[in-house]
Amino acid sequence: LAKTTQPISMDSYEGQEVNITCSHNNIATNDYITWYQQFPSQGPRFIIQGYKTKVKNEVASLFIPADRKSSTLSLPRVSLSDTAVYYCLVGGPAGTALIFGKGTTLSVSS
Amino acid sequence: NAGVTQTPKFRILKIGQSMTLQCTQDMNHNYMYWYRQDPGMGLKLIYYSVGAGITDKGEVPNGYNVSRSTTEDFPLRLELAAPSQTSVYFCASSYEPLGGELFFGEGSRLTVL
Repeated sequence: LAKTTQPISMDSYEGQEVNITCSHNNIATNDYITWYQQFPSQGPRFIIQGYKTKVKNEVASLFIPADRKSSTLSLPRVSLSDTAVYYCLVGGPAGTALIFGKGTTLSVSS
Repeated sequence: NAGVTQTPKFRILKIGQSMTLQCTQDMNHNYMYWYRQDPGMGLKLIYYSVGAGITDKGEVPNGYNVSRSTTEDFPLRLELAAPSQTSVYFCASSYEPLGGELFFGEGSRLTVL
């Protein structure tokens, strides 16, 4: 099972770009990388998923280097509502357990 | 679609009591998961299932049991509740086997006194 390591916390200001990096040195060939956002008293919510290179959607970008041992979630122009905990999840084929890391608490100030 | 529905939302148990947390999904997802989240901490996987009749242990299975008799339901049973089981429990489901998007329920907050 791939173990992930993220910074415990990050601070930012509104309008800035935020990059959160996740380390997953023992990622397996079949593993995908998925990022989730969690607000207090709510279940995590899917943000973005990728396997390699770069993935982009309407809310974030995900950068994965060629060796796939890390990944970076990029949030463009954050707002106060982006204050949340962000989890990097590395998961593999059917039947494998999906283990969350400790997550990164992002605090956005005005 | 209602998505993933968990009941109850809140429950207080006495030490030694037992109870079942219910989880139902209406998305025809094969993969279902139970996580617990202690205050200020991350999510810990308790059990998961890849389909009806198939379950497996996660990181912290002790004190819990699960069953999966149908695709839709994945109940979590707590036997002999202990204060250490005070937590928020989240059920999740997924349609994609390759670590795909997890759809989470709203959580069940359990307090054991």
